[in-house]
Amino acid sequence: GQQVMQIPQYQHVQEGEDFTTYCNSSTTLSNIQWYKQRPGGHPVFLIQLVKSGEVKKQKRLTFQFGEAKKNSSLHITATQTTDVGTYFCAGPKGGGNKLTFGTGTQLKVEL
Amino acid sequence: ETGVTQSPTHLIKTRGQQVTLRCSSQSGHNTVSWYQQALGQGPQFIFQYYREEENGRGNFPPRFSGLQFPNYSSELNVNALELDDSALYLCASSLAPARVSYNEQFFGPGTRLTVL
Repeated sequence: GQQVMQIPQYQHVQEGEDFTTYCNSSTTLSNIQWYKQRPGGHPVFLIQLVKSGEVKKQKRLTFQFGEAKKNSSLHITATQTTDVGTYFCAGPKGGGNKLTFGTGTQLKVEL
Repeated sequence: ETGVTQSPTHLIKTRGQQVTLRCSSQSGHNTVSWYQQALGQGPQFIFQYYREEENGRGNFPPRFSGLQFPNYSSELNVNALELDDSALYLCASSLAPARVSYNEQFFGPGTRLTVL
């Protein structure tokens, strides 16, 4: 079945450093979504990418969708303590918006 | 806040018991999906309901069942609870089980189920 892996599993950075998480799917995706889950919280939608090679920016966050639509990345510039949490990519499973979530990357930011 | 509510917030059950979890979707959303999130893992899709009918199911046994009501709220029922059912159960509402379109899912706060 469809598998979505993310690396790294954990990332510990100093505030101000950059952070990148990579997402790889075993199958081609029609679109990819990114979610952030704060400790003790629930996933919160960040963005959706649909087109091959698409790049979207949200302030310090840059999202990319690979040309083959099987991989994606999230890059955070100059991390802040508010960026702490686990970042998940997710792709549709079997059509529609039934999602297969990636394994997640937990980000910790130290002052 | 997303406007999606879940109850109860926490629940403790023993092995073999049955549990019902509830979810009220965001106003105007007709699709509810349920996910199981074990500690340290990503959410796993259980099933989705669209206009009161099941619209897709993940790799979960039949003892996981659900309902959606005319007001689009939903229930998740789990029979014969096992220790491995201990997890955070999340429901997510969206406007429609769309194809390739803007289909953001709005997650509720979850129900933390502990099975002893």
